[in-house]
Amino acid sequence: AQSVTQLGSHVSVSEGALVLLRCNYSSSVPPYLFWYVQYPNQGLQLLLKYTTGATLVKGINGFEAEFKKSETSFHLTKPSAHMSDAAEYFCAVTSAAGNKLTFGGGTRVLVKP
Amino acid sequence: DAGVIQSPRHEVTEMGQEVTLRCKPISGHNSLFWYRQTMMRGLELLIYFNNNVPIDDSGMPEDRFSAKMPNASFSTLKIQPSEPRDSAVYFCASSLGEAGSTEAFFGQGTRLTVV
Repeated sequence: AQSVTQLGSHVSVSEGALVLLRCNYSSSVPPYLFWYVQYPNQGLQLLLKYTTGATLVKGINGFEAEFKKSETSFHLTKPSAHMSDAAEYFCAVTSAAGNKLTFGGGTRVLVKP
Repeated sequence: DAGVIQSPRHEVTEMGQEVTLRCKPISGHNSLFWYRQTMMRGLELLIYFNNNVPIDDSGMPEDRFSAKMPNASFSTLKIQPSEPRDSAVYFCASSLGEAGSTEAFFGQGTRLTVV
C-alpha cells in the first residue's frame, strides 16, 4: 500500500519569499511521485513528476522538487512566491506497476503582498 | 484537444433523486478515473477504467454508486438514490497508457449538492 502525508494544510508566504511545501510518502516499491496544483474552481494540473533518473526535477511556473529516498520525501519549492501561486497543492504517489494515484491531503498556499 | 470534459459543472438535487455525472476523456487516452473531493476526506479515487474495463472499484462508497464506460469516449458516474453526504466535487481524469509514470489530466469537476 502507498500513502502520502503533506505537512501543513495551510501555508502563508509573502510575495517574493521562498515557498516550501513538504511531502513524505510511504511505498513498498520504487515510487513515482507527482505534484499537482489546483486553482479555485478548477481541476488539478500537473506541476512536475519524478519517475527515475535525476532526483531534482523542475516543473512549470518555477517550481522544483527533490526526491530523497533516504528521507522518503519529495518536497516542493519555489525561490520567490508570486501572487498567482495562491492555490492548493497536492502531492501524489504511484508506482511503475500501478496506475492509480494516491493523493496527500493538500496544502493551501496563501500569498501575502 | 479540449481536454477532459465533464458535465454538468454544477448539480443541485433533492435527496433520493438519481444523479448522473458525465465525462468525455481526452481522445486517445485509454485510462479513465473518477475522483471525489471533499473537505473532510480530500481526494478519493472511486474507480478507474483501462480500455473501457473497470480495473479497480474498491473506492466506490456503496451500492448506490455505479460507473460505466460504454466506449472509449464516454463515461458516467451514477448515484441512486442520492444522499446529502454525497455532496462533493467529482472529478474525472484520463491518461494514456497503463504505466504509473503517465500524467493524469483532470476535468474541471462537477460540484454536486444534495439537499
